[in-house]
Amino acid sequence: KQEVTQIPAALSVPEGENLVLNCSFTDSAIYNLQWFRQDPGKGLTSLLLIQSSQREQTSGRLNASLDKSSGRSTLYIAASQPGDSATYLCAVYSSNTGKLIFGQGTTLQVKP
Amino acid sequence: EPEVTQTPSHQVTQMGQEVILRCVPISNHLYFYWYRQILGQKVEFLVSFYNNEISEKSEIFDDQFSVERPDGSNFTLKIRSTKLEDSAMYFCASTLQATEAFFGQGTRLTVV
Repeated sequence: KQEVTQIPAALSVPEGENLVLNCSFTDSAIYNLQWFRQDPGKGLTSLLLIQSSQREQTSGRLNASLDKSSGRSTLYIAASQPGDSATYLCAVYSSNTGKLIFGQGTTLQVKP
Repeated sequence: EPEVTQTPSHQVTQMGQEVILRCVPISNHLYFYWYRQILGQKVEFLVSFYNNEISEKSEIFDDQFSVERPDGSNFTLKIRSTKLEDSAMYFCASTLQATEAFFGQGTRLTVV
């Protein structure tokens, strides 16, 4: 059974810092991995999608990597800003099931 | 940019009442999903729908739940007799295939 874990659960950094959020999954048989952003009480906004054959994806100040064999992904945020404050969710689309399995999220606070 | 839309944004209902949550997925997508998030918990899978039938459902998706795609655009989740523990944010999502999943903004269901 696929399980997705994200560490840390919460992170507080001063503005301008570069930071890394971690995601691990137990079953490497995945189609893709997706990172989402969730603001309090709001929906899920897709940030980056990495297909299983890819190693990384970049969008602006965000870079996501995938190491399928070790069951790990990282989301790197460069030059963090207060507007980046949100919960970041990692989800894997398993090959064995037709659904996304989510981690519990990392809640990020960027202080001005 | 295409988006998944959900209505209503907030629904308050009395225990034992039936509710229908509505979603309009992205028009050329083939796979449709419902997820839910109880306050402070993980986003969890409820059901997936493809080719006009349920392709997978979770243990949560018992006989009180049903889904329907009554026409070419809407995708609905019905809860026949709501319980207090059904209070959650319900998200609809759609994908073309095993590709990027797009989520709606959610319906906050409060059962009193």
